[in-house]
Amino acid sequence: EAQVTQNPRYLITVTGKKLTVTCSQNMNHEYMSWYRQDPGLGLRQIYYSMNVEVTDKGDVPEGYKVSRKEKRNFPLILESPSPNQTSLYFCASTQRGAYNEQFFGPGTRLTVL
Amino acid sequence: AQRVTQPEKLLSVFKGAPVELKCNYSYSGSPELFWYVQYSRQRLQLLLRHISRESIKGFTADLNKGETSFHLKKPFAQEEDSAMYYCALGFTGNQFYFGTGTSLTVIP
Repeated sequence: EAQVTQNPRYLITVTGKKLTVTCSQNMNHEYMSWYRQDPGLGLRQIYYSMNVEVTDKGDVPEGYKVSRKEKRNFPLILESPSPNQTSLYFCASTQRGAYNEQFFGPGTRLTVL
Repeated sequence: AQRVTQPEKLLSVFKGAPVELKCNYSYSGSPELFWYVQYSRQRLQLLLRHISRESIKGFTADLNKGETSFHLKKPFAQEEDSAMYYCALGFTGNQFYFGTGTSLTVIP
């Protein structure tokens, strides 16, 4: 089944403890993105990638890192999480092209205490 | 700056009534606009995109460059339309701006 998977789905951690949220897609898509969803703020793009080793900052990149070493994987790294990074995170992938559909993962709910 | 505005956080309509979800964007070039929908306990998914000029589940959206709007419309709302709707502005290279979303409730 063509899909985007994220792990873990739920995570509670403490301030400063490094964590990684994985994202994987099996559709051979060139483009991938990370978003955070917060009440009243909608979805905001954190980082996006157009291909392997090609990444760029989105609207809210502070406090996050990404890597794209393989086409199918796009992990989101929080080196030193803080409570303001408590949010619902979505990964998405897209076939290269301006008008193509983004396929979203199921979301990862992160709580930083 | 490129931005998307959805002025209504919550919208309630009765079943069978027309519904319009507003979206305004701020961009001086030729926009790539989308509507995404998130039903309860489901993933965010594409509803429609302006370039396709399509009608999905009875919804349509017309790009009005003069008013910089891309409002989503349906003539007769159904209960299954209850969901969160996001308008999005996309750029070549995978950069996207989403609005804050409108939660639509269709009252039986």
